[in-house]
Amino acid sequence: GIQVEQSPPDLILQEGANSTLRCNFSDSVNNLQWFHQNPWGQLINLFYIPSGTKQNGRLSATTVATERYSLLYISSSQTTDSGVYFCAVVPGANSKLTFGKGITLSVRP
Amino acid sequence: DAGVIQSPRHEVTEMGQEVTLRCKPISGHDYLFWYRQTMMRGLELLIYFNNNVPIDDSGMPEDRFSAKMPNASFSTLKIQPSEPRDSAVYFCASSFLGNTQYFGPGTRLTVL
Repeated sequence: GIQVEQSPPDLILQEGANSTLRCNFSDSVNNLQWFHQNPWGQLINLFYIPSGTKQNGRLSATTVATERYSLLYISSSQTTDSGVYFCAVVPGANSKLTFGKGITLSVRP
Repeated sequence: DAGVIQSPRHEVTEMGQEVTLRCKPISGHDYLFWYRQTMMRGLELLIYFNNNVPIDDSGMPEDRFSAKMPNASFSTLKIQPSEPRDSAVYFCASSFLGNTQYFGPGTRLTVL
């Protein structure tokens, strides 16, 4: 099946810093989503982005489908950004999301 | 909309007991997914439905697990009999036309 690799596995930032989270996938995809799992366990959808660039406030994402990677940018990080960031993809014509292992982000005040 | 609703939020049971997890998808969504999250295996898809019909149940661990979707607004995931290794957080998600998936708050299951 498709492989989803996220890097770095862990990230520690000082409040106000910027960061880039990366997701590589091994096959073409029809769907790519970024999620934030907060410390309470809730999975929050950040972006649906199988290709192109989107922005939502301090967050933006870019997917280059032909090169099989996606990037999530966090600017001016806040302590509330802490948690685990997951990239998930759907290969081919089905609807099965395959998740990466996640990136654990800690933003320190 | 209230989002995806799951119940119960927490369940503690003893080995051998039957466990039933419930999910109400977002109104109008035609896809429903059940996921399980553990430290060892991460997030994995168990089964998904399209228009109330099970499409792919290849992720269901074994025959002790079963899922149903009797109508467009309700689904259950049942474990019978439960075992300690079933302890995990179980998420339900829904989507429209297989696009953006929206997750419920999850059910934290502990089997003693």
